[in-house]
Amino acid sequence: SQQGEEDPQALSIQEGENATMNCSYKTSINNLQWYRQNSGRGLVHLILIRSNEREKHSGRLRVTLDTSKKSSSLLITASRAADTASYFCATDFSNDYKLSFGAGTTVTVRA
Amino acid sequence: DTEVTQTPKHLVMGMTNKKSLKCEQHMGHRAMYWYKQKAKKPPELMFVYSYEKLSINESVPSRFSPECPNSSLLNLHLHALQPEDSALYLCASSGSLAGSYNEQFFGPGTRLTVL
Repeated sequence: SQQGEEDPQALSIQEGENATMNCSYKTSINNLQWYRQNSGRGLVHLILIRSNEREKHSGRLRVTLDTSKKSSSLLITASRAADTASYFCATDFSNDYKLSFGAGTTVTVRA
Repeated sequence: DTEVTQTPKHLVMGMTNKKSLKCEQHMGHRAMYWYKQKAKKPPELMFVYSYEKLSINESVPSRFSPECPNSSLLNLHLHALQPEDSALYLCASSGSLAGSYNEQFFGPGTRLTVL
């Protein structure tokens, strides 16, 4: 079942600008992950933030987690054309192997 | 080797055909997954294998039959599919001997078209 909601649904930015997308979820989680999917391809894991963490960085990516608001954000700084993709948040909340994916944000970076 | 491979890349089949999708990983992962993804939608979990045993079946119709011959291989056998089964089928794996099961590694997918 889909636990996460993402916004915006779509985002178009100029190369070099920052892109921010948000994910909200409904129940307590063990961790929250972000994945990227280029058109028609498999998903690539970007970053995992545990429920006891508030912020995490990986290269040009910054993820925040606010468990009191049940929300997370993904910031991509200094965007490049290669960042054009769909981005999904996924929550691990059930202590089994399931991930619940959000609906995704489609990011287009214009040259 | 940090790759999950899937074959074939594309598959077109009729509703009376029998075909199989294959997935392979050599990362020592103990959990393997099949997902179905429709256009502009998130992946939907179909099956999970843990230590070569089926641990989760998300009420998938019996025309989809998973198989895990060994810890590196995962198959999805297809029979009597419907046109609405056309989708991108993704395989994933997670959980090395020393790690957790959280982060999933995805293959590139098989684009299935049912005529």
